Amino acid sequence: QKEVEQDPGPLSVPEGAIVSLNCTYSNSAFQYFMWYRQYSRKGPELLMYTYSSGNKEDGRFTAQVDKSSKYISLFIRDSQPSDSATYLCALTSYNQGGKLIFGQGTELSVKP
Amino acid sequence: DVKVTQSSRYLVKRTGEKVFLECVQDMDHENMFWYRQDPGLGLRLIYFSYDVKMKEKGDIPEGYSVSREKKERFSLILESASTNQTSMYLCASSLSINYGYTFGSGTRLTVV
Repeated sequence: QKEVEQDPGPLSVPEGAIVSLNCTYSNSAFQYFMWYRQYSRKGPELLMYTYSSGNKEDGRFTAQVDKSSKYISLFIRDSQPSDSATYLCALTSYNQGGKLIFGQGTELSVKP
Repeated sequence: DVKVTQSSRYLVKRTGEKVFLECVQDMDHENMFWYRQDPGLGLRLIYFSYDVKMKEKGDIPEGYSVSREKKERFSLILESASTNQTSMYLCASSLSINYGYTFGSGTRLTVV
């Protein structure tokens, strides 16, 4: 079983839709939860960062962590064509030695 | 603007060649990482380094080596390139796990 599972998609939605991207994980020690966005032929960039459980909002983006269910989500409201990218979840804890554990990435396409 | 710079965006090399991929960061980060990214396999950690002249094997180190002579530079070396090393190579650096990674733009390597 992989430490982090993420549905690879692809996911296609119309402009303006609410998008939900999800990851599940098996290691209850994970404390830091991140979402990266990767445009085609570019490196990933950090989009959202959450420590422990709870929600964090930044504009149209909301990151949610449910440690009891070992489940994290990224919601995108009023999705735009510019949101079309691959989204990767990344998790870690102090006993990972500074390494992030990545999900496989979900490819999202927002159609005008 | 902080940066991780990878020396080449695209490279084409012949089987058996020794290949050097260079990565430089200007953020005074201690930690540096090399990943390869392949469709369906996600990001896989090749090598990482927590300090100058220090290196640790990641999940797939076979066929690769690294060099870190200066804090800002982390080089990935393909000792004898093979076609199965055709991939997107991503370098990243981090201050600590609290801050996630900053990635370079990637080097797309094709071995023919």
